[in-house]
Amino acid sequence: EAQVTQNPRYLITVTGKKLTVTCSQNMNHEYMSWYRQDPGLGLRQIYYSMNVEVTDKGDVPEGYKVSRKEKRNFPLILESPSPNQTSLYFCASSLSRGLAGEETQYFGPGTRLLVL
Amino acid sequence: AQKITQTQPGMFVQEKEAVTLDCTYDTSDPSYGLFWYKQPSSGEMIFLIYQGSYDQQNATEGRYSLNFQKARKSANLVISASQLGDSAMYFCAMREVSNDYKLSFGAGTTVTVRA
Repeated sequence: EAQVTQNPRYLITVTGKKLTVTCSQNMNHEYMSWYRQDPGLGLRQIYYSMNVEVTDKGDVPEGYKVSRKEKRNFPLILESPSPNQTSLYFCASSLSRGLAGEETQYFGPGTRLLVL
Repeated sequence: AQKITQTQPGMFVQEKEAVTLDCTYDTSDPSYGLFWYKQPSSGEMIFLIYQGSYDQQNATEGRYSLNFQKARKSANLVISASQLGDSAMYFCAMREVSNDYKLSFGAGTTVTVRA
């Protein structure tokens, strides 16, 4: 079954304690992204990767790191979480497209993060 | 500048009636795609329907249809014969050929279906 998996699904942590949210896809997609969802703002892209070892900042990258050492995995790292990073996080993957074809992005189930 | 605008934060609809969710977009790309997603209370993002900028006909998927007016840059979602299970948050999103690595999302519209 084609899917994007994320772990953990729920996480409560304290300010400053480093954490990693894992993301894995089994569709051999080139593109992977991380989004955060906040009320009234929709989903905003944090970081994206176009292929192995190729990553770049999205719209809200401050306070986050990513890596893409393997095509299937794209972990999101919060080195020193703060309360304003409390959010719902989604990992997504898609095939690369020269045109905006109907190949949508496949989303993981989401990770709810609470930073105290 | 906001690329996707959804002006309706919340809507109520009676069961079995139709509801239209508004979405306007802003792009200068000649090629782009427009998407609608449903997010139930459980949180997952469910892809509903897609419209390409060069598609001549409006997209339809079961009870979902997209009213695409290119000149007005609008892509409204119509849900016909609403069901209680349609109660959810709905997001409009766009993927542009110049930024095909991302989706730009609107703020979302919460739909509540009343029995």
